[in-house]
Amino acid sequence: DAGVIQSPRHEVTEMGQEVTLRCKPISGHNSLFWYRQTMMRGLELLIYFNNNVPIDDSGMPEDRFSAKMPNASFSTLKIQPSEPRDSAVYFCASSLGQGPLNEQFFGPGTRLTVL
Amino acid sequence: DQQVKQNSPSLSVQEGRISILNCDYTNSMFDYFLWYKKYPAEGPTFLISISSIKDKNEDGRFTVFLNKSAKHLSLHIVPSQPGDSAVYFCALPAGNQFYFGTGTSLTVIP
Repeated sequence: DAGVIQSPRHEVTEMGQEVTLRCKPISGHNSLFWYRQTMMRGLELLIYFNNNVPIDDSGMPEDRFSAKMPNASFSTLKIQPSEPRDSAVYFCASSLGQGPLNEQFFGPGTRLTVL
Repeated sequence: DQQVKQNSPSLSVQEGRISILNCDYTNSMFDYFLWYKKYPAEGPTFLISISSIKDKNEDGRFTVFLNKSAKHLSLHIVPSQPGDSAVYFCALPAGNQFYFGTGTSLTVIP
């Protein structure tokens, strides 16, 4: 039984390049979350989807960040243009039900390094 | 401004002893509290939770205590085992938001 799948696991890119992170939630889960983890700020919720619809994107740091969920089994987080301060581990999580109250299952994360 | 704080970034405990991890929050709107555990190169996994109507919830070796007046919760692990070595996050949902603490890295020494 596959858990949340994220790709790539590691990404190294140069400042100014576009970065796309991908997530496949657990089948049947209807909520999906994108988080960013940094040493300074810990884990921060960036955006939350329910039934493929963005519910809360107040955590998205700025317009360079965008997220989509075209269907129930796939989501992307895009950074364009990327900056060195975007370097972090990005986690995707999914849950059954609506809202962050339900247990979330996390993927292994994508470690992004922007040079 | 951090809504949730874990003031101890690290903790070392001897195997068999009790581990106590602490978490403080600033806003009384939180009414549900969770602990997640994270191993290196993996995502966090849910460990235990507590609702604000309770002050204690126990699950095997893990017990979470909630002191609403002090806006403080703690996770007790007893007896601690080497496999418990991980980073522990408290997590507090509020509306559509989910606030994590910065984590405490627990090392259980055999």
